[in-house]
Amino acid sequence: QSALTQPASVSGSPGQSITISCTGTNTDIGGYHYISWYQQHPGKVPKLIISEVSDRPSGVSDRFSGSKSDNTASLTISGLQADDEADYYCSSYSSTSTLPFVFGTGTKVTVL
Amino acid sequence: QVHLVESGGHVIQPGRSLRLSCGASGFTFSRFPMHWVRQAPGKGLEWVAVISADGKTKYYADSVRGRFTISRDNSNNTLYLQMQILGPEDTGRYHCARPTRNDFWGRYGLDVWGQGTTVTASS
Repeated sequence: QSALTQPASVSGSPGQSITISCTGTNTDIGGYHYISWYQQHPGKVPKLIISEVSDRPSGVSDRFSGSKSDNTASLTISGLQADDEADYYCSSYSSTSTLPFVFGTGTKVTVL
Repeated sequence: QVHLVESGGHVIQPGRSLRLSCGASGFTFSRFPMHWVRQAPGKGLEWVAVISADGKTKYYADSVRGRFTISRDNSNNTLYLQMQILGPEDTGRYHCARPTRNDFWGRYGLDVWGQGTTVTASS
């Protein structure tokens, strides 16, 4: 079973925008719009920040946005803030019988 | 307030068994499928298993299939994970999580997470 591929780390200065990619295959990201993103601060539980590619749950800042193109999903954080420093994980439904729910490898976001 | 609380994590010798519990409150537990997700120390999230709202349908990650059993008691709002033949690769923090809606595969995301309980398989 394979996790979705994310860059290990992304960094940016306060106020800048950064984008985190999440690459899969046509059996997961490429085949469906069931892509979610989670934010996890150190020692905390994951928080759902994006669902269905680009929908933000109630209470999530509009500085977070999601998109998808072919087999790659992306999370963009605009107006980067110190509190955005965290780990970010994508996830997707997969039609493979072996792993129907797959997470990405995770990306550490550092605010310089 | 919606709440999930896990318990049962322990330091345990490889090859032994352990049962984790997850108590739910603040929502109608019996209406939602439930998931277990684990995280090894310093590593990423790994989906483990899912059970349907009525408890009749279950699915597992390859890494635990045949060793772990997910179950639930809707009368007591509790989710379980029975783990057998534990190995060092099972070490980590185990979270129960609720999907945003009644969708078995959690395709719309997991929006409620417990703080987790730690399992350490070590001799």
